[in-house]
Amino acid sequence: QKEVEQNSGPLSVPEGAIASLNCTYSDRGSQSFFWYRQYSGKSPELIMSIYSNGDKEDGRFTAQLNKASQYVSLLIRDSQPSDSATYLCAVIGLYNQGGKLIFGQGTELSVKP
Amino acid sequence: EAGVTQFPSHSVIEKGQTVTLRCDPISGHDNLYWYRRVMGKEIKFLLHFVKESKQDESGMPNNRFLAERTGGTYSTLKVQPAELEDSGVYFCASSPWTRVFTDTQYFGPGTRLTVL
Repeated sequence: QKEVEQNSGPLSVPEGAIASLNCTYSDRGSQSFFWYRQYSGKSPELIMSIYSNGDKEDGRFTAQLNKASQYVSLLIRDSQPSDSATYLCAVIGLYNQGGKLIFGQGTELSVKP
Repeated sequence: EAGVTQFPSHSVIEKGQTVTLRCDPISGHDNLYWYRRVMGKEIKFLLHFVKESKQDESGMPNNRFLAERTGGTYSTLKVQPAELEDSGVYFCASSPWTRVFTDTQYFGPGTRLTVL
């Protein structure tokens, strides 16, 4: 079982729709959760972080965390073609004292005009 | 503020040769991480420096990989001798030394290594 799992996609949504990206993790004690966006050939860029159960909103982005279900998601409202990218879920585990990120494989999102 | 920079952006070498990748973190960032993404796989952690000290090198694949961080500034990752399975994109990331569980790691653009 992979430590962090994501659907690889591609996920295709029309412009203006809500894109929903999902991630599950295996380490029940994981404490920090991140969503990175990576455009093709570019570096990963942090867009959201979440540390406690519930929702966290930042502009058009909402991260949702459910530690009991070991599940974290990212919602993108009013999706734009510029949101087309690969979205990486990353987790810091319970016994990780150094902050190393454990990544999922990434979900490719395509927003069609 | 300059971001994380990496050099070279792309390197093509023959199997058995040596390659050295360089990373310059954001000025003042004590934490420096190396990650690697091989084709079709997720980004994987290689090692973590705090200043010039190796904090965690549990992700280094084998002893053909040697990382250094001279004076706690830039870091190099040397692969000697390179093998075909070393091909991939090598990312460097840095963060300040405050709270590693919440600090943003800023990634560089990566070095694409191709071993023929």
